[in-house]
Amino acid sequence: GENVEQHPSTLSVQEGDSAVIKCTYSDSASNYFPWYKQELGKRPQLIIDIRSNVGEKKDQRIAVTLNKTAKHFSLHITETQPEDSAVYFCAASRNSWGKLQFGAGTQVVVTP
Amino acid sequence: DTAVSQTPKYLVTQMGNDKSIKCEQNLGHDTMYWYKQDSKKFLKIMFSYNNKELIINETVPNRFSPKSPDKAHLNLHINSLELGDSAVYFCASSQGTGGNNEQFFGPGTRLTVL
Repeated sequence: GENVEQHPSTLSVQEGDSAVIKCTYSDSASNYFPWYKQELGKRPQLIIDIRSNVGEKKDQRIAVTLNKTAKHFSLHITETQPEDSAVYFCAASRNSWGKLQFGAGTQVVVTP
Repeated sequence: DTAVSQTPKYLVTQMGNDKSIKCEQNLGHDTMYWYKQDSKKFLKIMFSYNNKELIINETVPNRFSPKSPDKAHLNLHINSLELGDSAVYFCASSQGTGGNNEQFFGPGTRLTVL
């Protein structure tokens, strides 16, 4: 089955700096790659997703890149703000009937 | 107008007891899920139902039994609770069969087994 590895497990950044989280996946048939943000004590919420027919997607301060050949995808957060502090999860699935396999999560701490 | 709701929010119980968690979604979605999030924050799928039919059944002890009375509801019953069952349980829903659509999570149920 699919295996998703996520790095780093924790990330501390100064407010205004950029944060990058990287994930690799094992199943070359995976074609959907969402990113979820979970604030402390809250539910996970989708912040951005990318499908395998696209190499990059951007939404304001967040962007995701996908390298299908290398089987890795990354989340980039620019101009970080304290409210970006949360746990971020990457995930992958291979088809509409497949389960979403989550990475282990990255705790991002943005210090003012 | 909560999209995905769960009850109860907190559940504290003794080992060996039986408990249920309820989930309801008003988004008109076809697929619902149960996830377990352990103390290390790892999110692991347990079950998925599409239009009341079980489509994903991960390696979960058979003490856990999901039930979907209709496509808007998915309940989780746990028998003979063990210490290791302590976790946050999230219900979620999505459009279609769900594997490549946004999943909307409920607020979670924090289960503590003493």
